[in-house]
Amino acid sequence: DVVMTQSPLSLPVTLGQPASISCRSSQSLVYIDGDTYLSWFLQRPGQSPRRLIYKVSNRDSGVPDRFSGSGSGTDFTLKISRVEAEDVGFYYCMQGTYWPRTFGQGTKVEVK
Amino acid sequence: EVQLVESGGGLVQPGGSLRLSCAASGFTFSKFWMSWVRQAPGKGLECVATIKEDGSQKYYVDSVKGRFTISRDNAKTSLSLQMNSLRDEDTAVYYCASGSGSLGHSWGQGTLVTVSS
Repeated sequence: DVVMTQSPLSLPVTLGQPASISCRSSQSLVYIDGDTYLSWFLQRPGQSPRRLIYKVSNRDSGVPDRFSGSGSGTDFTLKISRVEAEDVGFYYCMQGTYWPRTFGQGTKVEVK
Repeated sequence: EVQLVESGGGLVQPGGSLRLSCAASGFTFSKFWMSWVRQAPGKGLECVATIKEDGSQKYYVDSVKGRFTISRDNAKTSLSLQMNSLRDEDTAVYYCASGSGSLGHSWGQGTLVTVSS
């Protein structure tokens, strides 16, 4: 299975400051169709996950533009330009190129 | 509005069976791959099964192969997960989610499955 490794696993943040989460895959996530199936999710406490980013850098509808995704091949990054209180929770990356689909371990973002 | 509503969770003994259902509405169900994703208490996310739009292809994580069966009824816009030979480690919240490669455009609220004697 493709292993997804996130870092850091815990990220204390200051409101209004930027934050960044890294995700590395054990194999290139470029699919035969040329797309790269790497998504990012946020799971707030007590809620279902919500997808923020798909295919590396495409924001889902309704996702604030302070969230951005980048990367290629095996190295990917989620950036929050200015953290807001509603951004706390667990962030997961996920690869959708290989079977089975696999998630990173999760990064807990909390306010300092 | 897209809605995915899971049902069927509960307490079951090891070795027992349970059938989860997911009622979909607000989108053209028959045009989407669908998946079941689970989350054990205090743990991360795991995609356990995925089915193609027409049901012709199904994929499972190794830990559930031969025990779980994913199916769908496009006429009733519903997704199911038949779980047999349940183990303690199957205890989790099970989510229904749309998609496959770009899984998770929509998620249900989840249904809790507890395997315990």
